[in-house]
Amino acid sequence: NAGVTQTPKFQVLKTGQSMTLQCAQDMNHEYMSWYRQDPGMGLRLIHYSVGAGITDQGEVPNGYNVSRSTTEDFPLRLLSAAPSQTSVYFCASSYRSGALNTEAFFGQGTRLTVV
Amino acid sequence: LAKTTQPISMDSYEGQEVNITCSHNNIATNDYITWYQQFPSQGPRFIIQGYKTKVTNEVASLFIPADRKSSTLSLPRVSLSDTAVYYCLVAPPHTGKLIFGQGTTLQVKP
Repeated sequence: NAGVTQTPKFQVLKTGQSMTLQCAQDMNHEYMSWYRQDPGMGLRLIHYSVGAGITDQGEVPNGYNVSRSTTEDFPLRLLSAAPSQTSVYFCASSYRSGALNTEAFFGQGTRLTVV
Repeated sequence: LAKTTQPISMDSYEGQEVNITCSHNNIATNDYITWYQQFPSQGPRFIIQGYKTKVTNEVASLFIPADRKSSTLSLPRVSLSDTAVYYCLVAPPHTGKLIFGQGTTLQVKP
């Protein structure tokens, strides 16, 4: 049972480069979301999805794109990396309905450095 | 979504009970209170969730007064491995939109 898998674990980008952070879950969760966490700070919501084909913006969406073509995958694209996007990125998933326990499951994170 | 306020940091010693209080004055009727734990270099992990009164599981207890404007996470007999950041979140159930505050950094000392 893999849970939420993020790749890569580490990445260094040059300013202006683009890349895609991958997130996959095998729990058939409807909800998926992306967060960034800067040093000493809490997590901030970037984008989230309530199901395949549906996405919405979170607290800090600028500079990031997402799409949700399948239930399992929710990639995060950085269009033109900037040093301000240096952070640890977490992907999470959870059920949309059903059991009362609505916990979100998080991946292990992708540590991104933009130079 | 309701805003939460919790202490930035707390210190404790092994074997003590730790209580972390979270304030959420504008909690909505359909909001639940959820606590997450985060270790360094890891994603947050669910600890406990409740709506009112008291909830207990194998890890912690959650106390919620009748007005639901605050909640207290209780960790019994902490150990060094409980050193982590603890987040209090308030949101409707089944939402993919979790808003985290700064959390409470708990340091457990030997």
